[in-house]
Amino acid sequence: EAGVVQSPRYKIIEKKQPVAFWCNPISGHNTLYWYRQNLGQGPELLIRYENEEAVDDSQLPKDRFSAERLKGVDSTLKIQPAELGDSAVYLCASSRGFRGLNEKLFFGSGTQLSVL
Amino acid sequence: AQKITQTQPGMFVQEKEAVTLDCTYDTSDPSYGLFWYKQPSSGEMIFLIYQGSYDQQNATEGRYSLNFQKARKSANLVISASQLGDSAMYFCAMREDTGANSKLTFGKGITLSVRP
Repeated sequence: EAGVVQSPRYKIIEKKQPVAFWCNPISGHNTLYWYRQNLGQGPELLIRYENEEAVDDSQLPKDRFSAERLKGVDSTLKIQPAELGDSAVYLCASSRGFRGLNEKLFFGSGTQLSVL
Repeated sequence: AQKITQTQPGMFVQEKEAVTLDCTYDTSDPSYGLFWYKQPSSGEMIFLIYQGSYDQQNATEGRYSLNFQKARKSANLVISASQLGDSAMYFCAMREDTGANSKLTFGKGITLSVRP
């Protein structure tokens, strides 16, 4: 079974430029998550999808961040325009979505973003 | 207040010895789940072990065990017979039973280095 696939692995951009990250979850996983991990910190949730619906986007900075999950499979996270403080690792995760306490998240390798 | 606290500085252990990684948590919810994830330098978060708040026994998964002390609100990870491949960041996380917006909250992580 293929794991969560993310691309690109690394991205370097200048501030004020747009950037997009792509995620393909594990087949059959209904729930998809985007997390941001700052250097030396744990991941923090940005947005959670149940199929096509964004059910928790309370931590997503909506002035510059947007996300979509068309057809309930792949997802794209976009930043426009990027700021220096956006430099971080952006992790995508997926889970089956039965909402039990023990529901495991499966993570991709992340996209490391550097904003210059 | 921090929901998950991991305060140990970088940890070092000799190969084949056991090591304990500390985690304390804060919740008023009687129903919650605790997780440990490993993040090697490749960036992917790997699930290690899960403990439910109502589980009677401490969780074990191969060389990993969880020392769950509910009254003290601690959930320490014990790795037995350390291997060089155990060198990584380790994150403690908690899911509280908060309904539709239940999410996994991570601590800041602990760096473990295994010496040959």
